[in-house]
Amino acid sequence: GQQVMQIPQYQHVQEGEDFTTYCNSSTTLSNIQWYKQRPGGHPVFLIQLVKSGEVKKQKRLTFQFGEAKKNSSLHITATQTTDVGTYFCAGTTGGFKTIFGAGTRLFVKA
Amino acid sequence: DVKVTQSSRYLVKRTGEKVFLECVQDMDHENMFWYRQDPGLGLRLIYFSYDVKMKEKGDIPEGYSVSREKKERFSLILESASTNQTSMYLCASSRLAGGREQYFGPGTRLTVT
Repeated sequence: GQQVMQIPQYQHVQEGEDFTTYCNSSTTLSNIQWYKQRPGGHPVFLIQLVKSGEVKKQKRLTFQFGEAKKNSSLHITATQTTDVGTYFCAGTTGGFKTIFGAGTRLFVKA
Repeated sequence: DVKVTQSSRYLVKRTGEKVFLECVQDMDHENMFWYRQDPGLGLRLIYFSYDVKMKEKGDIPEGYSVSREKKERFSLILESASTNQTSMYLCASSRLAGGREQYFGPGTRLTVT
């Protein structure tokens, strides 16, 4: 069945360092979404990418969708302690079903 | 702001009990979802519904059933709870058309003893 793989599973960074998480799908996606879950919280929608090669920025966060629409990445520049949490990608192939990656948990040391 | 509420934040049940988890959304969303979240496994879809009285199985429907009698309410039922159903359960909703971003409830941490 369709799978969405996300790496790394965990990442420890020093505050101020950059962070990247990668998402790969076994099939072509119609869109990909990114969510953030703070410790003890629930996933919160960050952004959606739809077009091949699309790049979107939200302040220090940069999201990319691959040319083949099978992979995506989230890059955080100069991490802050407020970035702590788990970042999930979620891909849709069409229809109603969205497949979530296992998430990357980010730890930031001040 | 979209609001998705779940009936309980924490729940402790005994093996074999019937368990009801309820979810209510206030934004007239067509789609509603039930996930379970376990460490290292991310969010796994149990069931979803795209309309009243309609339901579709997700990736792990075994041991669960759902009910959607009203558009705003989506219930997850564990017919006979087992210890391997101890987990965090998250409900979500989304619009049918346009962007498919999902809005999540706060979650219910269910422990089956």
